[in-house]
Amino acid sequence: KAGVTQTPRYLIKTRGQQVTLSCSPISGHRSVSWYQQTPGQGLQFLFEYFSETQRNKGNFPGRFSGRQFSNSRSEMNVSTLELGDSALYLCASSPGQGIYNEQFFGPGTRLTVL
Amino acid sequence: GENVEQHPSTLSVQEGDSAVIKCTYSDSASNYFPWYKQELGKRPQLIIDIRSNVGEKKDQRIAVTLNKTAKHFSLHITETQPEDSAVYFCAASIPYNFNKFYFGSGTKLNVKP
Repeated sequence: KAGVTQTPRYLIKTRGQQVTLSCSPISGHRSVSWYQQTPGQGLQFLFEYFSETQRNKGNFPGRFSGRQFSNSRSEMNVSTLELGDSALYLCASSPGQGIYNEQFFGPGTRLTVL
Repeated sequence: GENVEQHPSTLSVQEGDSAVIKCTYSDSASNYFPWYKQELGKRPQLIIDIRSNVGEKKDQRIAVTLNKTAKHFSLHITETQPEDSAVYFCAASIPYNFNKFYFGSGTKLNVKP
């Protein structure tokens, strides 16, 4: 099976702009989670979608939003970008069933906000 | 919510030595603890995981131990090799928080040849 893919891989934006990141999960996986990774902070959970429904949300401001489509592909949107939003954004997919779900990560999108 | 702390932040060992990375968690409801390895410029990959009904799990040179009473779990790597050099992340999840994982801040392991 093909792995999790993310597009674009790199993005440079300026403050105040908005950005949309895309994630295609492994075929058959219905859950997609998004994480923000910054140096020294580890991975911070943003939100998780399963069958087009947001099941969980982390402690990020409302500028961060997402959605999932019927084919399980997911998008994440960040509006009114701030310098502190510069990070590697990772998505992870899992089958979504049960409570012990291995997360398969994508390569990430490196966002730089100038 | 859950809080996962990870120590040390950096660890340097000689090839062939053992390495131990420790994590603590705060929510006693957490019941699944995976460990991920992230090589430079690559995506995190699961290397081992443990469920709360098990105290120890081994996979070749890698082992994880869990102490539910003390709410801590550890990753043990024996006979380290240069290819073990990477950042390692621990994580915890609570069963009713579907796929919401709380990650530690990471440990950069450097194995010197």
